[in-house]
Formats: sequence, C-alpha cells, structure tokens
Amino acid sequence: GAVVSQHPSWVICKSGTSVKIECRSLDFQATTMFWYRQFPKQSLMLMATSNEGSKATYEQGVEKDKFLINHASLTLSTLTVTSAHPEDSSFYICSARDRGTGDYYEQYFGPGTRLTVT
Amino acid sequence: GDSVTQMEGPVTLSEEAFLTINCTYTATGYPSLFWYVQYPGEGLQLLLKATKADDKGSNKGFEATYRKETTSFHLEKGSVQVSDSAVYFCAPSARGKLSFGAGTTVTVRA
Repeated sequence: GAVVSQHPSWVICKSGTSVKIECRSLDFQATTMFWYRQFPKQSLMLMATSNEGSKATYEQGVEKDKFLINHASLTLSTLTVTSAHPEDSSFYICSARDRGTGDYYEQYFGPGTRLTVT
Repeated sequence: GDSVTQMEGPVTLSEEAFLTINCTYTATGYPSLFWYVQYPGEGLQLLLKATKADDKGSNKGFEATYRKETTSFHLEKGSVQVSDSAVYFCAPSARGKLSFGAGTTVTVRA
C-alpha cells in the first residue's frame, strides 16, 4: 500500500516551453502533497507544500509563478514548470501524506521525474 | 531554521562490515526523526523512524535511537549486505515538513 506515482518519469522540453508533472497517490487519499527538487549528488530541497483545495505554500526563494502547483483532488497534484530554461533541469520528486498533520505521519515518495530543458 | 548535518560519503564497505552513518540536527521543539533510503533507480523509501526521545527505530537490520540530549539520530547496521548499497538520508520532521540531510552514498562490495 501507500504507493505514489509520477508521470512522466522523464521529459525533455525546449527552452521557453512549459511542462506538467503529475503526482498521484494510488491507494490512499492525500490531503497534503509535497514537491521537492533534487540536484545531482545533493539533497532534496522542498519547493512547496500542496494542500487539496487550497493554494500551495511555497518555500522561500521558490518562484510561485514559475512553478505552478495544483492539488485539485485528494489523489492528484500537478507541478507545471512554466517557460522552462536549462537551469530548471533537475530531478523533481513528489511525496504524499495520507492523513493528519502531525510530524510522525510519514511521507510516501514518488519515483521522481527527470526534466531536461534544452 | 531546521538543519541536518549528515556524515559525508561516499562510504565503501565490504560485506558483513559494520555501518554507522552519523546524523545530528537542529530543530524547533521535538521533531520526529526519519531515515529514508534511495536505492539505485528508485524513489525514496522510509527505512525507519522514531517519534520521541529514546525511541529506537529499526528495520531490515538497521537501527537508530532518538537522542534528545545530543540531538542525534545515528544509523547503524551490524552486518551489511551488497543489497544495502544505496543513498541514505536523515530527515527530521518539524511543523509537518521534512528537512533532508545531504545524503550518504553507501557501496557494499561482495
């Protein structure tokens, strides 16, 4: 149980275009989802927290107009990278928490999406 | 803000060797503590967790004890296997958010 999927697993896009990444909780309802960015050989950086039915909360330094997040249902959150540039190339990972808001509730991670902007 | 200091890698071990990965953290209040593992080509998986002081989390032969007095959560395994080769992340959780350490790459040789 507690499986999170991401689609696509990898994507190549041209500079200036937008790309959408989907994150789905397959067997549970996720009131909260998180989006991370991971650079090669580096840690995960939290980009934003996505709550179903409300606006996402972005971490300091993350451009909300650049990285649009929509959490339209209890099983789906999307991240759209708008007007992508080569510096946006990275590994994007989502996670989902299936209930509650306490810190002891674990997050379930998706397999990640490799974005390459040419 | 919250921060995590994790032992830098890479770490290369022989099979059946003892593994320790140090992790210390700073956080407001009393966070829950997690170790996540990322196997090659896969997403992060929860390895173990501890939610209060002196709790010991354990899974797959790995253990870590929540030490409030030293704000540490060191990961240990007594006898590693080749299948333990992965990247390990220490991650305290406070105010509903995980803060990740830099990750420690562990390679176990047969």
